[in-house]
Amino acid sequence: GAVVSQHPSWVICKSGTSVKIECRSLDFQATTMFWYRQFPKQSLMLMATSNEGSKATYEQGVEKDKFLINHASLTLSTLTVTSAHPEDSSFYICSARPPGQTKAYEQYFGPGTRLTVT
Amino acid sequence: GDSVTQMEGPVTLSEEAFLTINCTYTATGYPSLFWYVQYPGEGLQLLLKATKADDKGSNKGFEATYRKETTSFHLEKGSVQVSDSAVYFCALSITNAGKSTFGDGTTLTVKP
Repeated sequence: GAVVSQHPSWVICKSGTSVKIECRSLDFQATTMFWYRQFPKQSLMLMATSNEGSKATYEQGVEKDKFLINHASLTLSTLTVTSAHPEDSSFYICSARPPGQTKAYEQYFGPGTRLTVT
Repeated sequence: GDSVTQMEGPVTLSEEAFLTINCTYTATGYPSLFWYVQYPGEGLQLLLKATKADDKGSNKGFEATYRKETTSFHLEKGSVQVSDSAVYFCALSITNAGKSTFGDGTTLTVKP
């Protein structure tokens, strides 16, 4: 149980275009989802916390107009990288938390999406 | 701010060797500490955790002890297997709000 999927697993896009990444909780409902970014050989950096039905909370330094997050249902959150540039190339990871759980470790991670902007 | 420093990898060991991956932290409060493992092509999975000083987390033969005096949470396993090859992340969380601070990850490769 507690499986989280991401789609696509790998995407290449041209500079200036937008790309959408999906995060789905497959066998549980997730009231909260997290989006992380990971640079090569670096740690995961939390970008935003997404609560179903409300606006996402972005971490300091993350451009909310650049990284659009939508959490329209209890099983799906999307991250749209708008007007992507090569510096947005990175590994994006989501995690999902079932309802009623609040501990930091009570989140299940997706396998990640590799974004390459050319 | 809060931070986690992990032993730099990659680490390559032979099967049945002893494993230690060092992790130290700085935190503004009293953190909970975690180790996550990421197998190739999969998401991070919680490996073990400790929520207070001197607690020992253990799972799948891995252990780590919360040492407040040295601000450390080193991961150990007495005899590694090829299937332990993965990336290991040390992490901390100050609150239960769900925000965790991660280390950079250490890649472990175990050769038969």
